[in-house]
Amino acid sequence: GDSVTQMEGPVTLSEEAFLTINCTYTATGYPSLFWYVQYPGEGLQLLLKATKADDKGSNKGFEATYRKETTSFHLEKGSVQVSDSAVYFCALRGFQGAQKLVFGQGTRLTINP
Amino acid sequence: NAGVTQTPKFQVLKTGQSMTLQCAQDMNHNSMYWYRQDPGMGLRLIYYSASEGTTDKGEVPNGYNVSRLNKREFSLRLESAAPSQTSVYFCASSVGIWDRGIPSTDTQYFGPGTRLTVL
Repeated sequence: GDSVTQMEGPVTLSEEAFLTINCTYTATGYPSLFWYVQYPGEGLQLLLKATKADDKGSNKGFEATYRKETTSFHLEKGSVQVSDSAVYFCALRGFQGAQKLVFGQGTRLTINP
Repeated sequence: NAGVTQTPKFQVLKTGQSMTLQCAQDMNHNSMYWYRQDPGMGLRLIYYSASEGTTDKGEVPNGYNVSRLNKREFSLRLESAAPSQTSVYFCASSVGIWDRGIPSTDTQYFGPGTRLTVL
């Protein structure tokens, strides 16, 4: 079945550092790919998404490119801030899987000033 | 707009007790979902309702029942709680547009969660 694998956390960086959180997936057909963010004590919020190969999703300085050849959707940000500290989830929705999302295990990111 | 709301925010149960988690959305969405979040495992789908009047099992439905009460509300019931059901529960909703049998890539909006502990 469909699955998502994220890099192990936690990840700790200094403010203004470059961020990459790796995400790879296994799915049949052409899934849609998502990054969600969960701030402490809150529910998940959509950060960005991409619906077809080579699409780039972007929001709040974060970017991710849908790479079908490597089945990846890595999250990047050029200069992180303390306010980016959160748990980040990569997810996919299969082409024929109704609207069900399959999530990765999450990566906890902490940014130190 | 309140978006997706959930009640209660916290709950402690004893093994064997029952309870219902409530979820409501005010975005006129067709589809609603219940997930559980456990440490190191991401979110897993328990049940979903593609549209009013329909419900389907997700990845981990055992021990749960759901009711799509109307378009706004989707409840999750634990008939006999077990310690393995200790988790954080999230409700979500989405527009749920289908185009010629293919689901759209509409966004799921999540509620703030219910933290449930079963002793």
